[in-house]
Amino acid sequence: EADIYQTPRYLVIGTGKKITLECSQTMGHDKMYWYQQDPGMELHLIHYSYGVNSTEKGDLSSESTVSRIRTEHFPLTLESARPSHTSQYLCASSEWENEQYFGPGTRLTVT
Amino acid sequence: AQKVTQAQTEISVVEKEDVTLDCVYETRDTTYYLFWYKQPPSGELVFLIRRNSFDEQNEISGRYSWNFQKSTSSFNFTITASQVVDSAVYFCALSGQGGSEKLVFGKGTKLTVNP
Repeated sequence: EADIYQTPRYLVIGTGKKITLECSQTMGHDKMYWYQQDPGMELHLIHYSYGVNSTEKGDLSSESTVSRIRTEHFPLTLESARPSHTSQYLCASSEWENEQYFGPGTRLTVT
Repeated sequence: AQKVTQAQTEISVVEKEDVTLDCVYETRDTTYYLFWYKQPPSGELVFLIRRNSFDEQNEISGRYSWNFQKSTSSFNFTITASQVVDSAVYFCALSGQGGSEKLVFGKGTKLTVNP
């Protein structure tokens, strides 16, 4: 079982603020992912990375950006938060064979 | 395009009842993977099972069992003798071959097990 951590777990922030959601994993997985999930809805992939210095946009368009400078760390940044960004953000990692392990999520509310 | 359909939005059962969650998928890949995840109220996704397209054997793990039928493109999940702790949203997901390991999720089925 992978150990994958996300901070903060909950964040309430005002419109226009810059925020960074942290995601770290201790399993040495090459692949990491960010998903966005509105309450009661399915997950949508917004970013993924197959290794250091590799980042790609996912299927759902997002104004957020990501970076992958270290294998274990995959932060997501919103330069200027808006109420439409209110959602839950889930980070995941995997090794080969597609089995993704998820972090606890960050519930973001932009007021 | 890949697609996962979970037609049951919500299911409510009484403890000790058996319940089956349906999952139907669409893909053009010849090799693909199917998954089930559990999302309890706390919000994290818990991995339950992965099945590749070449392995149609049913699987049983304790009270959980999975029925994979390629002929009907279905990967159904049954909980036997349900318990209150099984209450959660269950997601079926699909990923394809060719270096694409991005998961496509269904909309989820919310299961409520009442005491």
